[in-house]
Amino acid sequence: EVQLVESGGGLVQPGGSLRLSCVASGFSFSSDWMGWVRQAPGKGLEWVANIKYDGSEKNYADSVKGRLTISRDNAKNSVYLQMNSLRGEDTAVYYCVRDNTYSQSGAWFDAFDIWGQGTTVTVS
Amino acid sequence: AIQMTQSPSSLSASVGDRVTISCRASQAIRSDLGWYQQKPGQAPKVLIYAASTLQSGVPSRFSGSGSGTDFTLTISSLQSEDFATYYCLQDYNYPRTFGQGTKVEVK
Repeated sequence: EVQLVESGGGLVQPGGSLRLSCVASGFSFSSDWMGWVRQAPGKGLEWVANIKYDGSEKNYADSVKGRLTISRDNAKNSVYLQMNSLRGEDTAVYYCVRDNTYSQSGAWFDAFDIWGQGTTVTVS
Repeated sequence: AIQMTQSPSSLSASVGDRVTISCRASQAIRSDLGWYQQKPGQAPKVLIYAASTLQSGVPSRFSGSGSGTDFTLTISSLQSEDFATYYCLQDYNYPRTFGQGTKVEVK
């Protein structure tokens, strides 16, 4: 079964740290970009970060740059989000996603085609 | 960062209605746009990528169109399971940005 399972969420004080994990199964993890998307309570979706299949490229939202770090371990089919210097505005459900790439008419397009169930981070 | 603006923010519709949701980018993004559906308490799911390509398994009543700065998601005949919030997402450059969402409610 194709799935992503997140863990590591919880309650943390402002300025604290937390590490989220996401374990993938059912697909070729080491060939795929992966990412994180978050959703604050009652709000819309916000892209957080992504990482290339071999870990050589990482991209971040401006709101998290320098505080959150994405990484992966292909041997463990896992992607991580190290969260430091946490703020109240980081309170959200964090979703792990497969950032799949599709080729069409010579161009490349992305889509988040697999989502985890989400893990909740509360900064208070 | 590219700003994605959806309209309307919410709409009321009945089963069988044709529903149209718009998404406008603050700069041209070619066809680098996807549409996502989210139901309460669930993770989002992708409906369309590359502005108009239907994701595998998504019903054909969903369609997407547009390029450049203006995009549209159309549901040709709304079904009960389609009441949800819809988001557009640009994958033209980083940072990726979502629209603020459009909630489709029961009329």
